[in-house]
Amino acid sequence: QKEVEQNSGPLSVPEGAIASLNCTYSDRVSQSFFWYRQYSGKSPELIMSIYSNGDKEDGRFTAQLNKASQYVSLLIRDSQPSDSATYLCAVNKNSGYALNFGKGTSLLVTP
Amino acid sequence: DVKVTQSSRYLVKRTGEKVFLECVQDMDHENMFWYRQDPGLGLRLIYFSYDVKMKEKGDIPEGYSVSREKKERFSLILESASTNQTSMYLCASRQSIPTDTQYFGPGTRLTVL
Repeated sequence: QKEVEQNSGPLSVPEGAIASLNCTYSDRVSQSFFWYRQYSGKSPELIMSIYSNGDKEDGRFTAQLNKASQYVSLLIRDSQPSDSATYLCAVNKNSGYALNFGKGTSLLVTP
Repeated sequence: DVKVTQSSRYLVKRTGEKVFLECVQDMDHENMFWYRQDPGLGLRLIYFSYDVKMKEKGDIPEGYSVSREKKERFSLILESASTNQTSMYLCASRQSIPTDTQYFGPGTRLTVL
């Protein structure tokens, strides 16, 4: 079983819509969950982290965590063409600080 | 601003050569990481270091070694480069406070011929 799974996409949404990105993980002891954004030809950069069940909002971004279902999601409200990128879900390994990354979901926001 | 630099943006080497990739961070971070990123395989952890002279194997350490003699510098070594090590190599440095964040370098695109 893959440790962190994401739908590779591409996920296409119109400008102004809500983009919903999903991630499941296999390690039940994981405590730290992250969303990184990677533009084409660039390095990943952290968007959000979440540690507790529920929702965490930061501007247009909302991270959602459900540890019982081993599920993390990222919602992007009022999507903009500049949000077009690959979104990487990451989960800490073995309760430590090294991360397992998913393969990423490609998001395309069309004007 | 956190800055993570890598020694080369592009590198071309021959099979069997010894290759050194260097990474430097300027924020006194204890933890540093080496990943490789390949299409369809995502970002995979090769090695990481939690302090000077300390290292841990990641998911794919075979064919690689690392060196961390100074806190700011973390080197990845390909002892005898092979064509299947052609990849994008990304170094990262971890900030734990105030937020747990890995900062990535710009990457080195290594081609082994």
